[in-house]
Amino acid sequence: NAGVMQNPRHLVRRRGQEARLRCSPMKGHSHVYWYRQLPEEGLKFMVYLQKENIIDESGMPKERFSAEFPKEGPSILRIQQVVRGDSAAYFCASSPSRVGTEAFFGQGTRLTVV
Amino acid sequence: DQQVKQNSPSLSVQEGRISILNCDYTNSMFDYFLWYKKYPAEGPTFLISISSIKDKNEDGRFTVFLNKSAKHLSLHIVPSQPGDSAVYFCAASANQGGSEKLVFGKGTKLTVNP
Repeated sequence: NAGVMQNPRHLVRRRGQEARLRCSPMKGHSHVYWYRQLPEEGLKFMVYLQKENIIDESGMPKERFSAEFPKEGPSILRIQQVVRGDSAAYFCASSPSRVGTEAFFGQGTRLTVV
Repeated sequence: DQQVKQNSPSLSVQEGRISILNCDYTNSMFDYFLWYKKYPAEGPTFLISISSIKDKNEDGRFTVFLNKSAKHLSLHIVPSQPGDSAVYFCAASANQGGSEKLVFGKGTKLTVNP
């Protein structure tokens, strides 16, 4: 049973470009959480999704950021018009239920904005 | 607004000795606490957890203690091994609504010297 797969592992974008981060949950998991880790910080919750639904996006910046988890395919975290402050490690976690404490984390995508 | 605090950015111990990592929280709604271990360039890996109805949970060399009145928990590793060298994150969760997102501390970097 493969773990949570995130790709790409590293992503470099110029300011103003779009970044797309993908997360394939573990088999049988229909709940996905996205977290962001800024340098020297802990992980901060961004959004919680179930298949085709956003359940909690209280941690998402109001502008430029969006997330989806379609019926088929991976969950996508999209950042439009990236700025230097978006540089961070983005982690996805999947869970078989809404209980985020049972979630397994992927290896993360490290986004660098130049 | 740091609801979960790990006040020691780093800790260094000798192999075979005890490692004690500390964590404080401010939100009295938190009812579940977890410790994660993280190696560089990898995602967090679940280590051990404790519910607020308990004051101690043990798993092999790892023990977590919870003092609810002090809003404090600690992770004890005995005996410490060089392979334990990693960043340890304390996280907390509140069973509120349909989302059980985790709130993380900033982490403590543990170094176990041979």
